[in-house]
Amino acid sequence: DAKTTQPNSMESNEEEPVHLPCNHSTISGTDYIHWYRQLPSQGPEYVIHGLTSNVNNRMASLAIAEDRKSSTLILHRATLRDAAVYYCILRDSPRGDYKLSFGAGTTVTVRA
Amino acid sequence: GAVVSQHPSRVICKSGTSVKIECRSLDFQATTMFWYRQFPKQSLMLMATSNEGSKATYEQGVEKDKFLINHASLTLSTLTVTSAHPEDSSFYICSARYTENEKLFFGSGTQLSVL
Repeated sequence: DAKTTQPNSMESNEEEPVHLPCNHSTISGTDYIHWYRQLPSQGPEYVIHGLTSNVNNRMASLAIAEDRKSSTLILHRATLRDAAVYYCILRDSPRGDYKLSFGAGTTVTVRA
Repeated sequence: GAVVSQHPSRVICKSGTSVKIECRSLDFQATTMFWYRQFPKQSLMLMATSNEGSKATYEQGVEKDKFLINHASLTLSTLTVTSAHPEDSSFYICSARYTENEKLFFGSGTQLSVL
């Protein structure tokens, strides 16, 4: 599986935007970019995913570089409930097993 | 959205006993479920892929005779930790593949403590 690189941690103030970068320079043409987050003592939850175009949903936005070698998850207005570990994961679309391999992720801290 | 229920949320057992963890997809059928393990301050590590009606596929280094997985129905997968030892103490998390949108939905996890 192609590898992703994320910063270990990021801090933000409440109600300010958070931009979480992810580098994936070895991404293949069929890899989707998935983001999941894990709140303390919980299982991960889906945030967003995309292939080439930028994506928006009620939780976040995903900005994908034109060459697809990097992407940025954007939380538009951070709340205390957004404090979590955020994982950027590549998944090869044609594969049938749908296994997701989690890296270390980025620990987001939100200050009140 | 789709819901995955995992039970129990916390279990404490004596060394040498077996513990069963259940993972249920409440409002959808899941032909594929996954079991992960997570140690404190570490990321999730995939243990095995559970396919309904067939044998589980284990990741390298995971003992299949110690971690028994059963996926007898489209809504239930179980993980049994046999002859548990203190080093098996960990946070175990299941997930289910929702084929309608290709997302994974995760259970809330089970904290296993072996004394």
